[in-house]
Amino acid sequence: QSVLTQPPSVSAAPGQKVTISCSGSRSNIGTNYVSWYQQFPGTAPKLLMYENNMRPLGIPGRFTGSKSGTSATLDITGLQTGDEADYYCGTWDLSLRVVVFGGGTKLTVL
Amino acid sequence: QVQLRESGPALVKPSETLSLTCDISGDSLPSGNYFWSWVRQPPGKGLEFIGYIHSSGTTSYEPSLRSRVTMSLQMSKRQFSLTLGSATAADTAVYFCAGVKVGTSGYYVDHWGQGSRVTVS
Repeated sequence: QSVLTQPPSVSAAPGQKVTISCSGSRSNIGTNYVSWYQQFPGTAPKLLMYENNMRPLGIPGRFTGSKSGTSATLDITGLQTGDEADYYCGTWDLSLRVVVFGGGTKLTVL
Repeated sequence: QVQLRESGPALVKPSETLSLTCDISGDSLPSGNYFWSWVRQPPGKGLEFIGYIHSSGTTSYEPSLRSRVTMSLQMSKRQFSLTLGSATAADTAVYFCAGVKVGTSGYYVDHWGQGSRVTVS
């Protein structure tokens, strides 16, 4: 069971917007920045967002992140079939003193 | 840019020790505070952070694995390693070596190895 809670799956049509949520507690999301990762089958995860809403070079502006209290969200607008992947949130947990991840959300672009 | 690559046995017998090494390459190493880390992903499941080692030698491990995990770092060889003792089928996973960038309140994995599939059987 993951420390951070994500919905197992989300779906939307091409061109639409989807939101992936990530819920934690005061010891993790409540006191630390959140990052997001994108993983295609059979490949390593890739950093998609860091410090809640910062995009690494090369990540398009269609991906935006936010955080409020002990929850965070990843929004993807203008969905493309190439966005179909698993998405994970992550952060630091002050009590466990390690990085913790959500269970992952499978995005399907219908 | 840093590249990471895992190496080690693909098959481990139950009760034996799982050992992996991560080679660090690239023109320059990350600056600032940085954790050399291991993350694993069981088949069909999500990511699990195993632990990290800092250049100072400080380590921190996921509590449920703490009694079986050891990490070491040999920067002169640009390598860091993972050993996981008393392996069971539940340790079957793809193991990623990873680099965690550490900020004031931000910790994120900015570099990932390609992954090494390990089966305990």
